[in-house]
Parts: sequence; C-alpha cells; structure tokens
Amino acid sequence: GENVEQHPSTLSVQEGDSAVIKCTYSDSASNYFPWYKQELGKGPQLIIDIRSNVGEKKDQRIAVTLNKTAKHFSLHITETQPEDSAVYFCAALGFTGNQFYFGTGTSLTVIP
Amino acid sequence: EAGVVQSPRYKIIEKKQPVAFWCNPISGHNTLYWYRQNLGQGPELLIRYENEEAVDDSQLPKDRFSAERLKGVDSTLKIQPAELGDSAVYLCASSELRQTGELFFGEGSRLTVL
Repeated sequence: GENVEQHPSTLSVQEGDSAVIKCTYSDSASNYFPWYKQELGKGPQLIIDIRSNVGEKKDQRIAVTLNKTAKHFSLHITETQPEDSAVYFCAALGFTGNQFYFGTGTSLTVIP
Repeated sequence: EAGVVQSPRYKIIEKKQPVAFWCNPISGHNTLYWYRQNLGQGPELLIRYENEEAVDDSQLPKDRFSAERLKGVDSTLKIQPAELGDSAVYLCASSELRQTGELFFGEGSRLTVL
C-alpha cells in the first residue's frame, strides 16, 4: 500500500514568516493530495488539495506544490498568523483503493 | 448545512467494558469512513462504507471491533471488550463522490480506557 512521510513533526515560526511542510509518498498511482488542519479537540478540516494533473495551487496565503517525478508535495503558508497554529496533515489517495493515507502530522506554532 | 455529527465526544471506561460510537454523515454523502487517531499520529482507516456495504474493513480488528451502517445513513462503531490500547480518538468522515475525494470529518470521539 501507500506510505506517506511528513516532515517536520514540529515547526515554530515568527508571526509574518513563512512555513513549509513537506510530504513524500510511495505509490506513483496516487492522484489526489489533500492537506488538513486540525485544531485542538476538533476533527481535521480540508484547507487545500491538489490533483496529479497540476503542479501548483494557491488559495490566498496557502499554496501546495506537487512533484510527481520525485513523489513529494509541500504546503506553503505565507504571512503566518497566530490562528494558523494547529496540526497539519498531508494525505494521499490511492488510485485503486480509494483509501486515504495520512502523514504523521506537523504541529505548527506561530509565535506572536 | 450540518456537518458530520459524532457522539459521544468523550468516553471513559474501564478495560473489558463495551463502548459504542455513533456517527451521522452529511446528508447525501454515500461514503462513510471510521478512522482511529492515536496521540501524535495521523488518522488510520478502520472501515469504509459505500452506502450500507462495508467495502474496506481490512484494518478493523474484527475480534473486538464491529461496525454497522443500517439503511446507508448513520453508523455505529462498537468495541467489545475494550483494551488499554484502544484509547484514541475515533473519527468519522463522509464524502459525496469517490472521484471528488474530499473528506469531511466529525469532531471525533475521544476514548480513554482505564
């Protein structure tokens, strides 16, 4: 099956700086890569996603890039704000199994 | 529109006791997932339903875990008997179309087994 690795596990940035979280996947057939934000005591919430037919997608301060050849994708948050502090998970959806495989999460702290 | 609803939010039980979690997905979502999330980890799939059919239960520990989705709407996940290692957050998620892929999660049920 698919194996998704995520780095770093923790990340602290100053307010206004950028944050980058990276994930790699193993199954070249995976074709959908969402990113979820999980705040304390809540379920994960989709913040951005990308499909394998594009290399980059942006939504205001959030962007995701995908390198299919290297099998990795990254989340970029610019102009970070304290409310961006949360745990972020990447995931990959296998083409055949319709099963989502999640990374182990990155705890982001934005220091005011 | 209401999101995915789960109950109870918190449950504390002693080992060997039974426990059940309930999930009501977003209206019209035919795919329902149960995930387990251990502390500091990402969600791991337990079972996936397409309507009332369990299409992927390979990760469900069938000796003590069971699930059902009668009428293809809400679902129940049961553990009997619970073990210490079952302490985790149990997340329910639903999606509308397999091709879309977007998952909508509930807030989870946090289980503590003493």
